[in-house]
Amino acid sequence: EVQLVESGGGLVKPGGSLRLSCAASGFTFSTYTMNWVRQAPGKGLEWVSSISSSSSYIYYADSVKGRFTISRDNAKNSLYLQMNSLRAEDTAVYYCARDHYDSSGYYYEGGLDYWGQGTLVTVSS
Amino acid sequence: EIVLTQSPGTLSLSPGERATLSCRASQSISSSYLAWYQQKPGQAPRLLIYGASSRATGIPDRFSGSGSGTDFTLTISRLEPEDFAVYYCQQYGSSPRTFGQGTKVEIK
Repeated sequence: EVQLVESGGGLVKPGGSLRLSCAASGFTFSTYTMNWVRQAPGKGLEWVSSISSSSSYIYYADSVKGRFTISRDNAKNSLYLQMNSLRAEDTAVYYCARDHYDSSGYYYEGGLDYWGQGTLVTVSS
Repeated sequence: EIVLTQSPGTLSLSPGERATLSCRASQSISSSYLAWYQQKPGQAPRLLIYGASSRATGIPDRFSGSGSGTDFTLTISRLEPEDFAVYYCQQYGSSPRTFGQGTKVEIK
């Protein structure tokens, strides 16, 4: 069974830092592109960042570029999001999500097929 | 950045009725790289449709997607009680992988 479990959320002051983790199991983590998506309270979904299987390709939303860093450790089946210079508008539930591939795991089909339960980040003084 | 605009914001319908949700892109989405998700309160989103018209694993056939270029549609042929939720479209043809603002399907 595919599982994605986020951790590391909490309350942090503006300008502070936080590191989110996502522990993956039930699939060959090292072959999948992974993503972070966030959702502010009562708002819609916002894609934050993605990282390819070997970390060769990394992309960010403009709203977090230069402040957030995505990374992964394939040996530990883990995805990370280092968040610096946090702002009130970064307050959200942060989800990790897996790119959707076909049953062979090699052909990218599109969309995000598995999501974690999310971890809440609150930026407030 | 491709901006996705979903309409209507809220759709009030009764069980058994047909729901038609729209997603319009600010520029053409390459290769119909568009997905639809369903989200219920307190839950993570669930992938419904990818490639504009392909149903994800386990998704009932009352859900269908269509469209290309800049105009896409999610249709729920006959609403079941469990279908009342918020629906989002997302394009993944170019970075950033933007989402629409969502359409809430509520019980009339």
